[in-house]
Formats: sequence, C-alpha cells, structure tokens
Amino acid sequence: EIVLTQSPATLSLSPGERATLSCRASQSVDIYLAWYQQKPGQAPRLLIYDASNRATGVPARFSGSGSGTDFTLTISSLEPEDFAIYYCQQRRSWPPLTFGGGTKVDIK
Amino acid sequence: EVQLVESGGGLVQPGGSLRLSCAASGFTFTRHEFNWVRQAPGRGLEWVSYIAGGGSIMYYADSVKGRFSISRDNIKNLVYLQMNSLRAEDTAVYYCARSPYTGYDVFDYWGQGTLVTVSS
Repeated sequence: EIVLTQSPATLSLSPGERATLSCRASQSVDIYLAWYQQKPGQAPRLLIYDASNRATGVPARFSGSGSGTDFTLTISSLEPEDFAIYYCQQRRSWPPLTFGGGTKVDIK
Repeated sequence: EVQLVESGGGLVQPGGSLRLSCAASGFTFTRHEFNWVRQAPGRGLEWVSYIAGGGSIMYYADSVKGRFSISRDNIKNLVYLQMNSLRAEDTAVYYCARSPYTGYDVFDYWGQGTLVTVSS
C-alpha cells in the first residue's frame, strides 16, 4: 500500500499570502497524484489531477507540481474561500486508492 | 447537471446491516466507474470500494473486505453499498464518488454524503 504523508498538518496564513502544501509518497506514484479541497460540512472537490492539471472550473491561483514521491500544491494568493482542508490522493498503484492525512489551511 | 445523491444511512447496532444507495443523474451512467469513500467524524478520507462501468470488477479496502459489497444497476442509474457485520469503526459519512473516465481513478463528482452511525 502506498502511504501519502502530508505536511504541515496545519498552515496558518493570512489572505493574500502564498500557501505551499506538501505530499510525499512512500514509493513512486509517477505523476498520478490528485489534490482535493474540503470545506466544513461539504464533500471534497477535485482541484488538481495527474500532479499539475487543474480540474474544470478551478481558479488559476491553484497549481500543482512534482513527480515520483514529492508533490506540492501551491495557492499563489489566498482568497477567503480557500481556507479549508486539502487532501492528496494517489492512483498509481491500487487497490487500495490512498489519501494523505490532510493539511488544514486556516486564517492567521 | 451532474448529480449524485446518497441515501440509506442511519443508526445501526454493531453486527447489523445497512444498504446505501447512490442515485446518479445528468450524465451517461454506464461510461463511468464509481467508488465509495468514507470519512469518520473529525478524520480524513478513506477509500472503501470501487466498481467498474460494467459492474463485473469490484475492489475493496482490507478494512471492509468480506463484509461490504458494492453493486450497480445500469438501468436505474444506481450504485449500492451493502454493509454487513457493521462495527463501531465503520461510523462515518459515506460518499459516492464518480471517476471521469474509465481507468482514470480520481473523483470528479461527489455526493453530499450519508451518515452511518454504528452504536448500541
């Protein structure tokens, strides 16, 4: 099973600041990593697939990078609606499909 | 408009059973694979089960293998999760999630979730 480790667990930032979230895989997942955003009481929303491709309707301030075992989700300038929990997910080797433990981006 | 609507959650005693349903609309159902993903209270996301478009290929997380069964009705546009021998640790919100293309195992649409509580 591929284990995904996200860091930091919590990121405290102010609106307008840049957010950098990390996801590390226990073995290579090539580029087959996705990112999701989840707000309280809501279902997750797909943001990025295959490491760097934005899903339909996702603002350009969200970008993904990385390959192999190290991946980054960057939010270039935080908007108020971006404060949420972010999860990574791999599809390189499954079952099982696995998610990271999440990074909470909260308001400083 | 793509819609996934789960139902069937509720309170059940340990050892009991529930069947969750996911009603899909707004797209060609048979072209898509589906998964169930759960989230225990205050916890992260856990993949539970997968079913292919034709319904003949299914996968399960080790934590539910032998107890849960996924199926689909390609006439009624429904996905099911039959959950037997439920345990306290199965308590979670259960989401139905669609994959955008065959073999593309990400989740582009999710339902609103249905809460399953296993408690005596």
